[in-house]
Amino acid sequence: NAGVTQTPKFQVLKTGQSMTLQCAQDMNHEYMSWYRQDPGMGLRLIHYSVGAGITDQGEVPNGYNVSRSTTEDFPLRLLSAAPSQTSVYFCASSYDGLKNIQYFGAGTRLSVL
Amino acid sequence: AQKVTQAQTEISVVEKEDVTLDCVYETRDTTYYLFWYKQPPSGELVFLIRRNSFDEQNEISGRYSWNFQKSTSSFNFTITASQVVDSAVYFCALSEARTGGFKTIFGAGTRLFVKA
Repeated sequence: NAGVTQTPKFQVLKTGQSMTLQCAQDMNHEYMSWYRQDPGMGLRLIHYSVGAGITDQGEVPNGYNVSRSTTEDFPLRLLSAAPSQTSVYFCASSYDGLKNIQYFGAGTRLSVL
Repeated sequence: AQKVTQAQTEISVVEKEDVTLDCVYETRDTTYYLFWYKQPPSGELVFLIRRNSFDEQNEISGRYSWNFQKSTSSFNFTITASQVVDSAVYFCALSEARTGGFKTIFGAGTRLFVKA
């Protein structure tokens, strides 16, 4: 059982570069979300999706884009990386976002120089 | 506004001590869910418990227990007879329905150190 798979595990970017963090789940979950984890800030919601074709903003959406063309995949795009986006990024999925457990990927550690 | 506050940034205890992690939440909804997750040093996030807003019954699972009080908007987590393996960051989370979907917000986390 793969669960939630995030790639890459580590990434170093230069300021201004763009990249996509990949997230895939094989549990047929409708709800997927992206969080960033920073020291002392906990997990902050970036964007979430309640199903294919539907996305919405979380607490800290600026500088990030998402799309959900399939149930399985929910990529997170950094359009022009900034040092403030240095963080650990977690993708999560659940059967629905209200009452069900969220299953998290292993995280992507991103450094922007 | 949806908000989760974990006022304790770090807690340090000696093995076998009991410890309580506090969680206070804010919501305008009558239907919502509360969660606790554990993040051990390895970094993954592990689900511990879920509670819905209509169920105030406390729960015990082994050394873990949870106290949900709607009157004070709190969902506190107690570890009895703590062990070194309990050392982790613990997150409280609140999930609410939103127009067109749902939204889950996490607290800042409490880092627990259990010393042998």
